[in-house]
Amino acid sequence: KAGVTQTPRYLIKTRGQQVTLSCSPISGHRSVSWYQQTPGQGLQFLFEYFSETQRNKGNFPGRFSGRQFSNSRSEMNVSTLELGDSALYLCASSLEGGTLESSYNEQFFGPGTRLTVL
Amino acid sequence: KNQVEQSPQSLIILEGKNCTLQCNYTVSPFSNLRWYKQDTGRGPVSLTIMTFSENTKSNGRYTATLDADTKQSSLHITASQLSDSASYICVVSASANNNDMRFGAGTRLTVKP
Repeated sequence: KAGVTQTPRYLIKTRGQQVTLSCSPISGHRSVSWYQQTPGQGLQFLFEYFSETQRNKGNFPGRFSGRQFSNSRSEMNVSTLELGDSALYLCASSLEGGTLESSYNEQFFGPGTRLTVL
Repeated sequence: KNQVEQSPQSLIILEGKNCTLQCNYTVSPFSNLRWYKQDTGRGPVSLTIMTFSENTKSNGRYTATLDADTKQSSLHITASQLSDSASYICVVSASANNNDMRFGAGTRLTVKP
């Protein structure tokens, strides 16, 4: 089974631009979560999508948005980029949420997209 | 204040030696605790997952322990290898469906020959 894939792997943008990142989950996985990772803040949760609906959201401004398609693929968009948005953006997929025991709801991470804002 | 604190921040050991990484948390309620290994430039990979009732779980040379009473966990690496050089991240979930995960800042481990 193929793992979680993210495109592009590297991206350079300038302040004020917008960017769209893509994530393809493991086949059969319906939950996709997005994270931002920076050296100073570590991993921070952005949002989670499940069955095309945003189910949970972290403490990020509205410039960060996402969506999920019917095939569970997900995109994340950041508008009006700021220097502080430079980070590794990670996507993780899992089978599903709900009330399953977490041991069976393991998240699998993609390799990430390294975004640099100049 | 981060609800998951890891120590040390970084660690350098010689190949073949053992080491122990610490994770203290204040997350409540508690559902599960995971240890991830993240190689430079790659996404995290799960090493162990433990729920409230589990005290120890092993994955090869990696052994994680959990004391839910004191809210402490450790990751012990035995007979370290150069490929163990990575960041090790402790993640605590407050809910069973992992909608509420809290991440530690990680411990950067360097194994030298």
